[in-house]
Amino acid sequence: NAGVTQTPKFQVLKTGQSMTLQCAQDMNHNSMYWYRQDPGMGLRLIYYSASEGTTDKGEVPNGYNVSRLNKREFSLRLESAAPSQTSVYFCASSDFQIPNQPQHFGDGTRLSIL
Amino acid sequence: TQLLEQSPQFLSIQEGENLTVYCNSSSVFSSLQWYRQEPGEGPVLLVTVVTGGEVKKLKRLTFQFGDARKDSSLHITAAQPGDTGLYLCAGTTSYNTDKLIFGTGTRLQVFP
Repeated sequence: NAGVTQTPKFQVLKTGQSMTLQCAQDMNHNSMYWYRQDPGMGLRLIYYSASEGTTDKGEVPNGYNVSRLNKREFSLRLESAAPSQTSVYFCASSDFQIPNQPQHFGDGTRLSIL
Repeated sequence: TQLLEQSPQFLSIQEGENLTVYCNSSSVFSSLQWYRQEPGEGPVLLVTVVTGGEVKKLKRLTFQFGDARKDSSLHITAAQPGDTGLYLCAGTTSYNTDKLIFGTGTRLQVFP
């Protein structure tokens, strides 16, 4: 079972470069999420998509854009990478229309901005 | 704004010891989930609690939701090296039912 698949797993960028992180889920979930994880700060929500065709800002959206391409795919774009965006990025999906459902996470993308 | 504070931040113990991890907030949560995350992987759900005062057991792990639904605890009895990992609490509020607010995390290391 694939679950949530993130690509790439690792990436090193130079300041000012752009890139897109890809995420796909095969569980037919309506909701998808992008988080960043930094030491001592748990997971912070960047953007989320409650359903296909909608996206909303989370706690730390500045410097990022997202696209919900279809029900399966939700991408995160860094237009001009900054060292402060060095982090581990996680994509998750869930069926939040059913109360108290868990979020299912990918294995993360480790991103370093030099 | 971090609404969920976990303590301790780090915990290093010997195999066989007991431990408790706390998740506290000044806000009321509709439900609270606990996740465990191992190195190089994403978090995986352990349990969901939804009722104030609720206690759930998962083998050697006991989870409790506070009566006022503002706090939760995770107690591990006779810890094993396999319990090593990052433990995260996460909750939903009545005004944000489609988003999880994650706690700051507790990193547990159990030595043989």
